[in-house]
Amino acid sequence: KQEVTQIPAALSVPEGENLVLNCSFTDSAIYNLQWFRQDPGKGLTSLLLIQSSQREQTSGRLNASLDKSSGRSTLYIAASQPGDSATYLCAVRLAGGGNKLTFGTGTQLKVEL
Amino acid sequence: GAGVSQSPRYKVAKRGQDVALRCDPISGHVSLFWYQQALGQGPEFLTYFQNEAQLDKSGLPSDRFFAERPEGSVSTLKIQRTQQEDSAVYLCASSPLRGQATEAFFGQGTRLTVV
Repeated sequence: KQEVTQIPAALSVPEGENLVLNCSFTDSAIYNLQWFRQDPGKGLTSLLLIQSSQREQTSGRLNASLDKSSGRSTLYIAASQPGDSATYLCAVRLAGGGNKLTFGTGTQLKVEL
Repeated sequence: GAGVSQSPRYKVAKRGQDVALRCDPISGHVSLFWYQQALGQGPEFLTYFQNEAQLDKSGLPSDRFFAERPEGSVSTLKIQRTQQEDSAVYLCASSPLRGQATEAFFGQGTRLTVV
């Protein structure tokens, strides 16, 4: 059974700092990996989708990397802002496992002024 | 509409009551998913539809949970005889293509509280 772990569970940083969120998964036979943002009381907003054949994806201040063989992904946030405060979730789709996503428990990020 | 729409946003049910949660996916999206998110946890898969066909219901926790998508668009998740452990946020997501892993778009969820 695929298990997804995110470290750290919570993180508090001062505004302007660069930071890295970690995601690891036990079954490397994935189709793709997706990073989401969740604000309190809200649904999930997709940030980046990395296909299994890709090494990284970038969107603005966000960069996600994927090392499928080692079962790891990182989300790098540059020059963090208070508006980045949210819970960040990573999720994987297994190859041949249908379209369902297996999620980690998330990293709760707080960016302080 | 522009995104996935879920209703109601909040639902309080007495233990033993039946509830029905609605999901309106993005127009034209073939795939539809339901997830359950307990407090402080990541979402857990419940069930998956491709058009009107329910292709995977392996995540439904018990036979009290039932989902349908009769016309391949709107979906309803029904929970019979609700129990306290059913309290969670229920998220719906849709994707545009069938049989292909593409980006999933999520609704804002329905927060169910069973008292």
